[in-house]
Amino acid sequence: DIQMTQSPSSLSASVGDRVTITCQASQDISNYLNWYQQKPGKAPEVLIYGASNLETGVPSRFSGSGFGTDFTFTISSLQPEDFATYYCQQYVDVPSTFGQGTKLEIK
Amino acid sequence: QVQLVQSGAEVKKPGASVKVSCKVSGYTLTELSIHWVRQAPGKGPEWMGGFEPEDGEVIYAQKFQGRVTMTEDTSTDTAYMELSSLRSDDTAVYYCAKNRGDLNVFHIWGQGTMVTVSS
Repeated sequence: DIQMTQSPSSLSASVGDRVTITCQASQDISNYLNWYQQKPGKAPEVLIYGASNLETGVPSRFSGSGFGTDFTFTISSLQPEDFATYYCQQYVDVPSTFGQGTKLEIK
Repeated sequence: QVQLVQSGAEVKKPGASVKVSCKVSGYTLTELSIHWVRQAPGKGPEWMGGFEPEDGEVIYAQKFQGRVTMTEDTSTDTAYMELSSLRSDDTAVYYCAKNRGDLNVFHIWGQGTMVTVSS
């Protein structure tokens, strides 16, 4: 199985900050990398698909980059509604696997 | 617009089975690729399996092989996930999700079904 190593596991930041989360795959996954946001008691919601494509309706402050094994997710200017947990997911092959998550908290 | 509505919470004893439903609206089930993902309390999501159109069949994660069965009732546009021989570590929220297909992104999710396994 492909392992997804996500870091950091938690992050404290303030409104307006720029934050970056990384995700490393244990083998080449091309651009089959998606980023999800999850709020307590809710299902995950996709923000970025194919490593760098912004899902329709998602604000442009969210972005993603990377290819192969190393990927980055960035929020350019944190808004109050962005405090949540973020997960990367690979689905180049089965089984699809998720990172362990990054909990973004208010400083 | 596709919507996925899941069945309600379940409490089961160890060794029992649970069957969770996922009702599709806005599309017919045969047009969709439905997958199942679970999330144990405080943990990340875990993919269980789903319908792979390229293979024309349901693919299961090896971890659940022999214990999970994913089926579809096209007459009611409802997908089902049945997990047997339940253990306490199967306690989780179970989600159905629609795979859009392009780059395998789960872009629509059900609201989740809490399954608690306890004696």
